[in-house]
Amino acid sequence: EIVLTQSPATLSLSPGERATLSCGASQSVSSSYLAWYQQKPGLAPRLLIYDASSRATGIPDRFSGSGSGTDFTLTISRLEPEDFAVYYCQQYGSSLMYTFGQGTKLEIK
Amino acid sequence: EVQLVQSGAEVKKPGESLKISCKGSGYSFTSYWIGWVRQMPGKGLEWMGIIYPGDSDTRYSPSFQGQVTISADKSISTAYLQWSSLKASDTAMYYCARLSSAAPVSPFDYWGQGTLVTVSS
Repeated sequence: EIVLTQSPATLSLSPGERATLSCGASQSVSSSYLAWYQQKPGLAPRLLIYDASSRATGIPDRFSGSGSGTDFTLTISRLEPEDFAVYYCQQYGSSLMYTFGQGTKLEIK
Repeated sequence: EVQLVQSGAEVKKPGESLKISCKGSGYSFTSYWIGWVRQMPGKGLEWMGIIYPGDSDTRYSPSFQGQVTISADKSISTAYLQWSSLKASDTAMYYCARLSSAAPVSPFDYWGQGTLVTVSS
């Protein structure tokens, strides 16, 4: 079973700054089947990025994903107030398993 | 418009049984896998299992195998998550979510609003 480790656990930044969130896998994620989700308090998660670097429908272009193999990154180019939330990575390529990382909380500095 | 609408919050006692539901609309329910995700209070997301309503093919996370049962009734476009004997540690928010394509190697693109299950004596 692939284990995903996200870092940092908490990231404190100001609006307008650039955010870089990391997701490391315990073994290679096949075909870059990795997604990123955003979750705000009291709401269901929302799909942001799939296949490591493709933006989901309606997601602003300030969100971008990169990486392959065991190292993946979510970048938010210029933080907007509504971007402060918890972010999860998820792999979905391994034998019908859909493991999530433990999450990174992006908070306002 | 694709929608997943989940049943309402539940308060149960330890040892009781429970079945919660997730009704899909706005798409071909039998053609997309539906998954269940647990979120314990203040914690992260945990994938529990998925089902293909077309033929009821079901897969479970090893962490939840034997602990819950996932099923679907395609005649009413509804997936279910059930427990035969609840424990206090089952207290959590439970989300259903749809895989984005008919192929199982895809992310969850649409999510239900969540069902809060509270188990307390």
